Amino acid sequence: GEDVEQSLFLSVREGDSSVINCTYTDSSSTYLYWYKQEPGAGLQLLTYIFSNMDMKQDQRLTVLLNKKDKHLSLRIADTQTGDSAIYFCAESPGGSQGNLIFGKGTKLSVKP
Amino acid sequence: DAGVTQSPTHLIKTRGQQVTLRCSPKSGHDTVSWYQQALGQGPQFIFQYYEEEERQRGNFPDRFSGHQFPNYSSELNVNALLLGDSALYLCASSSNRFGGYTFGSGTRLTVV
Repeated sequence: GEDVEQSLFLSVREGDSSVINCTYTDSSSTYLYWYKQEPGAGLQLLTYIFSNMDMKQDQRLTVLLNKKDKHLSLRIADTQTGDSAIYFCAESPGGSQGNLIFGKGTKLSVKP
Repeated sequence: DAGVTQSPTHLIKTRGQQVTLRCSPKSGHDTVSWYQQALGQGPQFIFQYYEEEERQRGNFPDRFSGHQFPNYSSELNVNALLLGDSALYLCASSSNRFGGYTFGSGTRLTVV
């Protein structure tokens, strides 16, 4: 079946690194995404990774993919209070035009 | 460049009523997807429209229907509203050449 799981909460200090983890079940997913949702807002695409990649870095964001374990992680370096939000992992079993399957989201709280 | 525009932003309906939500995709995008996000949950895929036809559908009853117009804008209709339909409804647009969905800010529907 299709399911994406994430831990629900993460709390870090400003300036520390944050690591948000996700597991997915569909090995046919060719794209995996990280979205950010701030209170009262829609979803903002942060980054995505192709299934044939192990790692992708984009400024403060690093995505690691372990296909064998179906594990995806998002590392945010030098976390700021403005990074406080809910982060969703999503897989797309149907390719780039397929529907997205989301986890329940990880609420990141950044303490000053 | 306007992103995805949804209207209205909020509305309140009574059980049994019908509702229509509207979405204008990002400029250059031709594919529109709709998601339902219940409180504390990740978004759930409702359906996707391309070339004015429903291309994919999630596990939602027939009370949920949609339409895409020649200018790529879209409507989501929900009939016979239930209390459980209360949620944030998100529209996402993409180009058929590559996904990379852009989400709108959503319509918050409350059924009383």
